[in-house]
Amino acid sequence: EAQVTQNPRYLITVTGKKLTVTCSQNMNHEYMSWYRQDPGLGLRQIYYSMNVEVTDKGDVPEGYKVSRKEKRNFPLILESPSPNQTSLYFCASSYGEYNEQFFGPGTRLTVL
Amino acid sequence: AQSVTQLGSHVSVSEGALVLLRCNYSSSVPPYLFWYVQYPNQGLQLLLKYTSAATLVKGINGFEAEFKKSETSFHLTKPSAHMSDAAEYFCAVSGADSWGKLQFGAGTQVVVTP
Repeated sequence: EAQVTQNPRYLITVTGKKLTVTCSQNMNHEYMSWYRQDPGLGLRQIYYSMNVEVTDKGDVPEGYKVSRKEKRNFPLILESPSPNQTSLYFCASSYGEYNEQFFGPGTRLTVL
Repeated sequence: AQSVTQLGSHVSVSEGALVLLRCNYSSSVPPYLFWYVQYPNQGLQLLLKYTSAATLVKGINGFEAEFKKSETSFHLTKPSAHMSDAAEYFCAVSGADSWGKLQFGAGTQVVVTP
């Protein structure tokens, strides 16, 4: 089954404790993205990747890191999480000109 | 660069009534437009997309949207609301210069009343 998977689905952590949210897709898509969803703001892009070893900042990259060492994986790293990073995070993958994005199930992160 | 504005953060419709969700976009290049739906506690699912072919686009679950270049709009409609349509709906835009970037509107929460 074609899908984007994220782990963990739920995470409660404390300020300053490094964490990684994994994302994997099995569709051989070139593009992958991370978004955060906050009430009233829709989805905002954090980082995106056009291919292996090629990443770029989205609209809200501060406090986040990413890497793309393999085409299928695109982990999101929070080196020192803060409470304002409490949010619902989505990973997505896409291909081709139209950029139709396929979304993972989401990761709900709470930073205390 | 692209941006999207969704008019109305909450819409309440009666079961069987018309659903109309408004989306206006701005884009410096010919746009590709999408409507996504998010059911409670779930991820985003593509409802339909416009990619410069037919201006009236039909999607899943009886939804359709019409691209109007003169009005820079891509409104979503469904003739008869069903209780299962209760969800949050997002309009999004990209373009040939977007390089993997999709710009989302703030979302419209739809409530369906019996």
